[in-house]
Amino acid sequence: EPEVTQTPSHQVTQMGQEVILRCVPISNHLYFYWYRQILGQKVEFLVSFYNNEISEKSEIFDDQFSVERPDGSNFTLKIRSTKLEDSAMYFCASSERGFGDTEAFFGQGTRLTVV
Amino acid sequence: AQTVTQSQPEMSVQEAETVTLSCTYDTSESNYYLFWYKQPPSRQMILVIRQEAYKQQNATENRFSVNFQKAAKSFSLKISDSQLGDTAMYFCAFMKPEDNYGQNFVFGPGTRLSVLP
Repeated sequence: EPEVTQTPSHQVTQMGQEVILRCVPISNHLYFYWYRQILGQKVEFLVSFYNNEISEKSEIFDDQFSVERPDGSNFTLKIRSTKLEDSAMYFCASSERGFGDTEAFFGQGTRLTVV
Repeated sequence: AQTVTQSQPEMSVQEAETVTLSCTYDTSESNYYLFWYKQPPSRQMILVIRQEAYKQQNATENRFSVNFQKAAKSFSLKISDSQLGDTAMYFCAFMKPEDNYGQNFVFGPGTRLSVLP
């Protein structure tokens, strides 16, 4: 069964450092998403990406965040200068068509700990 | 704005028994989708079941079924003949049909279900 794969499963970084979270979406999917879940809180939307550009982003997704699909298979989330409050589980997802038309498949998540 | 509430942070059930996870939501929309996602420990979140609000018939998927009460804005998940592999975090989620980019995909806080041998 096809899977969305995220690496690493857990990343620890120092405050102020840059981190890149990696995702390999399902190969024939065209829509890509990042969500995050701060411990004990709800899963929150960060950004969606289609046709090599951001489709939608939340107010959480400020200038310190960026996304990229560098090589046609990976989908990355970069946090330029991490803050303690960026500590969360980050989920990547992908779908063949738009979110409302088809099932979105989620990865297992990357736990980011900022110290 | 839509909200999704799961009032049971943790639940447990004996293997082979039946368990029901609660979910309520708040919306002024008349048409929408509701979902239950399952996330086993250290594994990816997978779709368990999906319900379209305009369909009165409750969705079922093998041992998983929902009790969708539109007027009460309730969407509970029943797991019959629970198996050890059902141990996971379960998320209830809401989405409007025009939400093409997942920006308004609203999750509940989750219920951690443990199936006991």
